[in-house]
Amino acid sequence: AQKITQTQPGMFVQEKEAVTLDCTYDTSDPSYGLFWYKQPSSGEMIFLIYQGSYDQQNATEGRYSLNFQKARKSANLVISASQLGDSAMYFCAMRDDNYGQNFVFGPGTRLSVLP
Amino acid sequence: EAQVTQNPRYLITVTGKKLTVTCSQNMNHEYMSWYRQDPGLGLRQIYYSMNVEVTDKGDVPEGYKVSRKEKRNFPLILESPSPNQTSLYFCASSLEATVPWEMSDTQYFGPGTRLTVL
Repeated sequence: AQKITQTQPGMFVQEKEAVTLDCTYDTSDPSYGLFWYKQPSSGEMIFLIYQGSYDQQNATEGRYSLNFQKARKSANLVISASQLGDSAMYFCAMRDDNYGQNFVFGPGTRLSVLP
Repeated sequence: EAQVTQNPRYLITVTGKKLTVTCSQNMNHEYMSWYRQDPGLGLRQIYYSMNVEVTDKGDVPEGYKVSRKEKRNFPLILESPSPNQTSLYFCASSLEATVPWEMSDTQYFGPGTRLTVL
């Protein structure tokens, strides 16, 4: 079974609009972490935001927020007020003890911000 | 500056010619990992290491070797590269999470090595 699912291979959003990138995960471990990374065309992996399984509140980091729905096992990334520089690949990842603390990545979503 | 370095950044080689991609981190991290990235497949783990002399296979270990003789270094070895190993490779490191809240420690990635095997 796929551990991390990102069902949107590509997304378009108008500049200054908000966009949600979907991520669902599969784990039986009660303690896990969820991460989002951004990969611009230059190739580097940039850490954006983290959500812990025991966190009571949704994580936020500037224009990034994580819509965490534990019962549905989803951890969607919300980018508010999109900017042209947000055009990139976005990866959802999970870390838990079931997988030896490995980071398991989804296939990614390519976001294109339109002027 | 905390960082993960990889060398070389770009490499074009031929089938069967052994090569090594080096990876080094200066953060005293226990955990190191190698990934390959291919279009539509995301990042797939090749090998990982929880500490010195401790390595284990990830999802796609065939055709690769690793070693962890020192905490800071984790080289990736391709003994006999083949064209299907053409890919973008990332090394990453992180702290070992010994308690649940340490799961929030992110992985730090190297800049990537773009390998082409002809």
